[in-house]
Order: sequence, then C-alpha cells, then structure tokens
Amino acid sequence: EIVLTQSPGTLSLSPGERATLSCRASQSVSSTYFAWYQQKPGQGPRLLIYAASSRATGIPDRFSGSGSGTDFTLTISRLEPEDFAVYYCHQYGIPPRTFGQGTNLEIK
Amino acid sequence: EVQLVESGGDLIQPGGSLRLSCTASGFSFNTYGLTWVRQAPGKGLEWVSSVSGKTGRTYYADSVRGRFTISRDNSKNTLYLQMNSLRVEDSAIYYCARFMHCGGDCPIDYWGQGTLVTVSS
Repeated sequence: EIVLTQSPGTLSLSPGERATLSCRASQSVSSTYFAWYQQKPGQGPRLLIYAASSRATGIPDRFSGSGSGTDFTLTISRLEPEDFAVYYCHQYGIPPRTFGQGTNLEIK
Repeated sequence: EVQLVESGGDLIQPGGSLRLSCTASGFSFNTYGLTWVRQAPGKGLEWVSSVSGKTGRTYYADSVRGRFTISRDNSKNTLYLQMNSLRVEDSAIYYCARFMHCGGDCPIDYWGQGTLVTVSS
C-alpha cells in the first residue's frame, strides 16, 4: 500500500503567518487522486482540497494545494485563529486508500 | 445540509460483535458511495470499508476482510457496519462518510462525528 509521510509532525506558527505542510508518497500518485483534510478535536475531518489543487465547496482561498508525483503541499497563506487544527493528506487512486499520519498546526 | 450521524459504538469484549449504523440526510442517499473510516485514539485515519452507490459493490481493508460486513438500506437512508470477531486493535472512533460524485475514484467530501468502539476485556 502507499505510505504517505507528512512533515513536519507539528508546526508552530502565529495568526497571520504562512503555513506550508508537506506530504510525500512512497510511490507516485496521480494528482487527480490526492486530497487534504482538516480535523478539529471532537469532529470528523473536513475536506479542504481534492485533485491536489481544487478547493472544496466553501473553503476560503487562503487554502491552496499543489504537487504531483510523490510530493504534495498544502499552503495556508495567512493563518486565521480557526485554522489551527490537524491536517491529513490522503490518496484515493491506488487501493487501499491511505492517509498520512497528520500535521498538528498549533498556535505559537 | 448533508448530515451523517453514527450510532452503535460501545465497550465490547474481544471476540464479540457489534453493529454500527449511520443515518444520512440532506442528499439522495441511494446515488452516493459511502464508506467507514476509523481513527484509533490519538492516531491517524484508516480506511475500513466502502460500498458503491450504483452497484452496491463492497470493498474492505485487509485488516477487517472476513470479519466486517458493510451494507446499506436505501429505504432507510442508513449505512451499516457489522463487526464480528472484534480485536483490541479494532478499538477506534468509526466515522461514516460520503464519497463525492466525480465519475471515478472520488474523495470523501462529508464525514459524520464518529462513534467510539472500545474492545477490551
């Protein structure tokens, strides 16, 4: 199965700063089948980005995704207080679907 | 508004059985693929099982194949996960989720709040 490795494990930033989260796949993944999710405590994940760079419905444009092959990136241009959460990458093109272990974005 | 509400989580002994339910609303239930994803306490997400909207075809992770059964009742807008021969390592929050309509392998676009399954003696 495809292993997704996210870095860093924890990212400490302040509101207003730019966040860059990375995800590396153990083998090439089509960008058509790559997504990012946000999860807050006690909640199910929320879809942010699919097809590597398409924002899901209602997602602010400060969230953007990029990448191809084995390296993908989620960028949050200017952090808002509500953005501090855990972020997961996900590939859904090669069975079984797999998720990264998560990046905890915390307030500095 | 799309809503997915899970129920049925409990404390169960190893070797026992449990059935989870997920009641959906706010969309045309029978036209969407659905899935269960679990999250062990403090851990990441693990896909468990899926069922197609059109054909009802089912899919399972190797870790649960032969022990878990996914099913759906389109007349009740409800998704199920029958879990047998439960193991300690099956302990997790189980999320019900919906696949986006996208014409191929699709991302999950909506998730429920989850229901907690604890397998322990």
